[in-house]
Amino acid sequence: GQQLNQSPQSMFIQEGEDVSMNCTSSSIFNTWLWYKQDPGEGPVLLIALYKAGELTSNGRLTAQFGITRKDSFLNISASIPSDVGIYFCAGQPETSGSRLTFGEGTQLTVNP
Amino acid sequence: NAGVTQTPKFRVLKTGQSMTLLCAQDMNHEYMYWYRQDPGMGLRLIHYSVGEGTTAKGEVPDGYNVSRLKKQNFLLGLESAAPSQTSVYFCASSEEFATNEKLFFGSGTQLSVL
Repeated sequence: GQQLNQSPQSMFIQEGEDVSMNCTSSSIFNTWLWYKQDPGEGPVLLIALYKAGELTSNGRLTAQFGITRKDSFLNISASIPSDVGIYFCAGQPETSGSRLTFGEGTQLTVNP
Repeated sequence: NAGVTQTPKFRVLKTGQSMTLLCAQDMNHEYMYWYRQDPGMGLRLIHYSVGEGTTAKGEVPDGYNVSRLKKQNFLLGLESAAPSQTSVYFCASSEEFATNEKLFFGSGTQLSVL
């Protein structure tokens, strides 16, 4: 299947810091999605991106669909303790009939 | 409106035992999915369904079977559990398919196979 490389694998930051994470692929994607998973829960959709170059915000979160259509970025500004969790990117490959592919996740820890 | 509900939340099996995981959604979604989540590997699609009475294989279907007898329910079965099937299993549903596949997930089932 399609491969998504998500980085970093984990981050340890202080409350108030900004956070950046990204996903890259060797294949072209039509859609990029960013999910957050709280401990013991299923992933919840944060942001959906549908066009190359698109920049979308959801509160303190901002995500971008890369111009090459092979990558996407998620930024979290002024982090707070409740931002703790695993963040997943997911992409819909350009190949017809392909299913969503998920990245390996970024584990975010925020120290108060 | 409960969304996507999975039962049970936890289960321990011995190798060779069988079990069924139940997923129910109350959003009238056409599409349903079963994923497994393993450390460092993200979410991998096991099976999915594009409507009542239909099922299709995902990325890692071996050792699992599914059924979608009713639109709101999607069952995942393990006929003979193996330790390699120790994982967290997530059910998901979506209103749309293909390029607008925004998934709604259940809270997961932690399965251990001894």
